[in-house]
Amino acid sequence: SQKIEQNSEALNIQEGKTATLTCNYTNYSPAYLQWYRQDPGRGPVFLLLIRENEKEKRKERLKVTFDTTLKQSLFHITASQPADSATYLCALDEPYNQGGKLIFGQGTELSVKP
Amino acid sequence: ETGVTQTPRHLVMGMTNKKSLKCEQHLGHNAMYWYKQSAKKPLELMFVYSLEERVENNSVPSRFSPECPNSSHLFLHLHTLQPEDSALYLCASSQEGAGLPYEQYFGPGTRLTVT
Repeated sequence: SQKIEQNSEALNIQEGKTATLTCNYTNYSPAYLQWYRQDPGRGPVFLLLIRENEKEKRKERLKVTFDTTLKQSLFHITASQPADSATYLCALDEPYNQGGKLIFGQGTELSVKP
Repeated sequence: ETGVTQTPRHLVMGMTNKKSLKCEQHLGHNAMYWYKQSAKKPLELMFVYSLEERVENNSVPSRFSPECPNSSHLFLHLHTLQPEDSALYLCASSQEGAGLPYEQYFGPGTRLTVT
């Protein structure tokens, strides 16, 4: 079955730097991959979706890449701010013949220090 | 109200109690989900309702019983829970369509503590 691996260790960076988070998967390449932000005690919030035929997607200070050869997605936050501190989850879809549901990684906690 | 709402936000219950969690979505979506989130673990999908039909039940114990009376409302009925059921319970909704990728919109969650 599909497994998603995100860095379990928290990522600590200085304000203004670029944060890079990694999402690796082990099995089939999904049709699309999503990134969510979750603040403590709250539900995840959708950020970006990238399809298997897209190499890169941008939204304001966010950039996502998707490499189906490496089975990896990278999530970048440029010019990071303390308000970016949160846990970031990646999620990918299962094929429709296996239920078509989203599988989530355990998330990586990002801390941006002023 | 906008988005996905959940009540109550916090719930403490004994192992012999019966309680219900409520979720309402105001987005016009056709699918709703219950997830369980325990500390430092990935979201665990519990139930999926698509067009008010239950399409997924991830081997969830029978002490959890979902109900979807219409496309906007979802309930999770709880009875004789165990302390290990203490977690954040999240409701989500999405607009499903053949061949379309769908993002999910989550509620704020119910923090459940079983004593």
